[in-house]
Amino acid sequence: GALVYQYPRRTICKSGTSMRMECQAVGFQATSVAWYRQSPQKTFELIALSTVNSAIKYEQNFTQEKFPISHPNLSFSSMTVLNAYLEDRGLYLCGARRGADERLFFGHGTKLSVL
Amino acid sequence: QQKVQQSPESLIVPEGGMASLNCTSSDRNVDYFWWYRQHSGKSPKMLMSIFSNGEKEEGRFTVHLNKASLHTSLHIRDSQPSDSALYLCAASRSSGSWQLIFGSGTQLTVMP
Repeated sequence: GALVYQYPRRTICKSGTSMRMECQAVGFQATSVAWYRQSPQKTFELIALSTVNSAIKYEQNFTQEKFPISHPNLSFSSMTVLNAYLEDRGLYLCGARRGADERLFFGHGTKLSVL
Repeated sequence: QQKVQQSPESLIVPEGGMASLNCTSSDRNVDYFWWYRQHSGKSPKMLMSIFSNGEKEEGRFTVHLNKASLHTSLHIRDSQPSDSALYLCAASRSSGSWQLIFGSGTQLTVMP
């Protein structure tokens, strides 16, 4: 079964509004959760890496002001897309590693459409 | 210019045939390569990873890596329609790195 649950699976929001997506690790402790965006052109970008009890590290071109992330415990993380516009469209994925397992387990993704 | 280039962009092979996908990194600092498969509407799932020069085989899937040229290839023998998916190559500087640099992918279609 899935190790990482992400919801909602898809969402549509009006331009300028915000939407929040959530990610839950099942059966393991996700000390770190990474958020990625897959653009309509299929390229992947790392948005930020969130580690419990540490500062969230944002990649270039992504900011806390635009993509605030909450990671309150070892099984849950959420990210909000504030003031979404067309360029924010895409599939947002959370990923977590399970212990020493090198594999990155992705959630199902949240597909964001902006009207 | 993307740091990880994949080719071809799309590939059609007959059922039972061999599919060969290529990936090259222009970032000389990467040491690890990953192959992910993403079925339509689903999240990517890791297929195989390779860190050492040479070849690694798992079932119908074989991965090659040439560290000198930073080129990796994925070969799928006896391709099945269920193998139809977007295949993503990613590179990173360490096995535990979160900064995976992804290519744009190869869309594989296996025709029954």
